[in-house]
Amino acid sequence: EIVLTQSPGTLSLSPGERATLSCRASQSVSTTYLAWYQQKPGQAPRLLIYGTSSRATGIPDRFSGSGSRTDFTLTITRLEPEDFAVYFCQHYDSSRTTFGQGTKVEIK
Amino acid sequence: QVQLQESGPGLVKPSQTLSLTCTVSGGSLTSGGSFWTWIRQHPGKGLEWIGYIYFSGDTYYNPSLKSRITTSVDTSKNQFSLNLTSVTAADTAVYYCARESYDTLTGSYYGMDVWGQGTTVTVS
Repeated sequence: EIVLTQSPGTLSLSPGERATLSCRASQSVSTTYLAWYQQKPGQAPRLLIYGTSSRATGIPDRFSGSGSRTDFTLTITRLEPEDFAVYFCQHYDSSRTTFGQGTKVEIK
Repeated sequence: QVQLQESGPGLVKPSQTLSLTCTVSGGSLTSGGSFWTWIRQHPGKGLEWIGYIYFSGDTYYNPSLKSRITTSVDTSKNQFSLNLTSVTAADTAVYYCARESYDTLTGSYYGMDVWGQGTTVTVS
């Protein structure tokens, strides 16, 4: 079973700053099957990134994903007020899906 | 544009069966390149994958829940369903249905690109 560990648990930043979120897998995974989601309070998660680095439809280019093997990163280049939320990474394989525990990006 | 909507009772008694349905609109449950997923989120916690089902009926479940889960599809109604038996307070959560997309030719995975709004289920 692949375990995804996200860090930090909470990131306190100001609007306009850069956010770097980490997702570490317990074993090497294919970049094809790594995705990121954003969730705001009271809302369903929203797909941001799939295939490690491809932005989903309508996602602004200030969001980018990168990584390989066990280390993956979601970067938000300049935080907008609407970006303060919780972010989850996710890995899919043919028989199951796992999520990281989430990183909360909060206003400093 | 595909939309999903969960439905079912908001309150279930302990030891009973939780039954939820997800209705697909704006698209077909049988479209290639899609499979249909249940996710839950305990209050204030992260996301827990429950399982997914293809329109063919093939299923994959979270091993920790597998003994209590059944899922099904009703292509005539464009719906898929979740049954979770012998519920306890630990099953209290927001339950989401979602569509996962992939490329049937290349196997590329496109993530959970459509979500329902979620439905809160309390076991009490």
